[in-house]
Amino acid sequence: GQNIDQPTEMTATEGAIVQINCTYQTSGFNGLFWYQQHAGEAPTFLSYNVLDGLEEKGRFSSFLSRSKGYSYLLLKELQMKDSASYLCAVLDSNYQLIWGAGTKLIIKP
Amino acid sequence: GAVVSQHPSWVICKSGTSVKIECRSLDFQATTMFWYRQFPKQSLMLMATSNEGSKATYEQGVEKDKFLINHASLTLSTLTVTSAHPEDSSFYICSAKGLAEYEQYFGPGTRLTVT
Repeated sequence: GQNIDQPTEMTATEGAIVQINCTYQTSGFNGLFWYQQHAGEAPTFLSYNVLDGLEEKGRFSSFLSRSKGYSYLLLKELQMKDSASYLCAVLDSNYQLIWGAGTKLIIKP
Repeated sequence: GAVVSQHPSWVICKSGTSVKIECRSLDFQATTMFWYRQFPKQSLMLMATSNEGSKATYEQGVEKDKFLINHASLTLSTLTVTSAHPEDSSFYICSAKGLAEYEQYFGPGTRLTVT
């Protein structure tokens, strides 16, 4: 079966760095997405990785290792507004998005 | 660019009634749109894939007679929840596929409450 695992909840301090991990087992791979979702809102796109390596975009970076079935989202200089759920999703061989359950990130002052 | 809208943003209806939710791609044509449902503290669950001009493809466990999907044009897909029950109360989100296979643009979601 297809499976995406990410921690349920993480807590971090304002101004710090946090890394949210995602491991996946899917039928085929056409890329991995990270989305941010604030409570009561739809997901917003953060990053897309299809090749191995690190993609940096401002305070957010995303890393992919296809051989390990592993990705992480790195958030630097955390701000209170970064409190949200972070969803990992993989595009499988049929170009269908397989979603993780999301990681709720709590930022404390 | 690539904006997707949903209407209404929230709706409260009585049990047994039907509710229609619209999903529009505002500045691009979307041959494929997706409908998701999200219960509190859970991830998105794909309900169905909607292709313009053809019948929707429903995920296992989703009742196609209860959740009617119509994708009549390249910019509009509708989801009708028929004979709604309180357990249908959820956050319904649509997304539209862009030109590239990996592009997917989300609408803002519709919160449905059935009383």
